[in-house]
Amino acid sequence: QVQLQQSGAELVKPGSSVKISCKASGYTFTSYDMHWIKQQPGNGLEWIGWIYPGNGNTKYNQKFNGKATLTADKSSSTAYMQLSSLTSEDSAVYFCARGGRVLDYWGQGVMVTVSS
Amino acid sequence: DIQVTQSPSSLLASLGERVTITCQTSQSISNNLNWYQQKPGQAPMLLIYYATSLQTGMPSRFSGQYSGRSFTLTITSLEPEDVANYFCLQHYSAPYTFGAGTKLELK
Repeated sequence: QVQLQQSGAELVKPGSSVKISCKASGYTFTSYDMHWIKQQPGNGLEWIGWIYPGNGNTKYNQKFNGKATLTADKSSSTAYMQLSSLTSEDSAVYFCARGGRVLDYWGQGVMVTVSS
Repeated sequence: DIQVTQSPSSLLASLGERVTITCQTSQSISNNLNWYQQKPGQAPMLLIYYATSLQTGMPSRFSGQYSGRSFTLTITSLEPEDVANYFCLQHYSAPYTFGAGTKLELK
């Protein structure tokens, strides 16, 4: 069965970076986009972008240009998102979700807390 | 960006009641809209894709319809396990955008 296993919660300092992971199993990793979504209480959900692990192509929400960097490792079927120059506005739960248009399976989410 | 306006933001309903949630998009997106259910502390689950198709394994009491820029999710007879947050997602064009969500609770 399709599973997306995300890394654990992160507590990080303002100005730093964090890299979270999403390990896929149960399907051909290189055949589906992997999307990333931000969820904040009260601010709803925001789509960050996607990466196609088959060739590394990416598409970002302009709002997250310079903030998020998406990568994928085909050998381990793992997608990554690095968030840089973190501020309190980046504190949120981040989900990965299998694409293309139908984001059908989601990871359990990673809570990132930015605090000094 | 395509704006998605979801209503209501919260909803109180009784067991067995018919429930309807609506998303309206700022421009035409054909049928490129999905519906999700999310329970506290859990990942969202896909209910309906391409506006009207029921995801495999989801109960048949969930259905989706659309007309123009208006999309509806209907639960024909509310069950206790349906208490959750529901949201829509337009995937017609990037950036994909979400409705703000509907919190469904039991009356």
